[in-house]
Amino acid sequence: NAGVTQTPKFRILKIGQSMTLQCTQDMNHNYMYWYRQDPGMGLKLIYYSVGAGITDKGEVPNGYNVSRSTTEDFPLRLELAAPSQTSVYFCASSYRTSGIEEQFFGPGTRLTVL
Amino acid sequence: QKEVEQNSGPLSVPEGAIASLNCTYSDRVSQSFFWYRQYSGKSPELIMSIYSNGDKEDGRFTAQLNKASQYVSLLIRDSQPSDSATYLCAVNRYDRAAGNKLTFGGGTRVLVKP
Repeated sequence: NAGVTQTPKFRILKIGQSMTLQCTQDMNHNYMYWYRQDPGMGLKLIYYSVGAGITDKGEVPNGYNVSRSTTEDFPLRLELAAPSQTSVYFCASSYRTSGIEEQFFGPGTRLTVL
Repeated sequence: QKEVEQNSGPLSVPEGAIASLNCTYSDRVSQSFFWYRQYSGKSPELIMSIYSNGDKEDGRFTAQLNKASQYVSLLIRDSQPSDSATYLCAVNRYDRAAGNKLTFGGGTRVLVKP
């Protein structure tokens, strides 16, 4: 199993550009999450999905959109990139629908908006 | 008050000593608690999980949970230079609709000096 994979690893965007961060997991996990991590800070939840076709907002959803057409994929879309979106983005997935499961993280995408 | 609070550090410990990390949380209905280790530029990796009051040991790591005091800690015994990293405390609340919602603290940076 590759686990959780993310592409690209690095990206520089100009203000106002758009892009999609890709996330794929091969563990047949129901739940998938997108977090952002600003320098020296913890992770903040952007969006999450409890299964294909179902998504919901997290703590900091403004400026982002997601879709979940398959169990494996959970892309994050940035529209009209802003400098405030400069961050490291982590995708995560988990399986068990209880309070005792763990989340597995992808390697991250480092995004800079100039 | 932040939902999950950690001292940002750095916590400097000599090699072979015990590193003690603390975390407090505000949501009394939190169900499970996790410690993630994050090396610089890498994604978080789970090192400990704890669900019941008391201690849980795994190798050189011991997690301690006190739900009444809303406090969870991590002890690293015989600290090694390879333990130098940021340690993130995460608190989980399970919701049937949303699944697991992890809230992260800002992390404690640990430096183990040879």
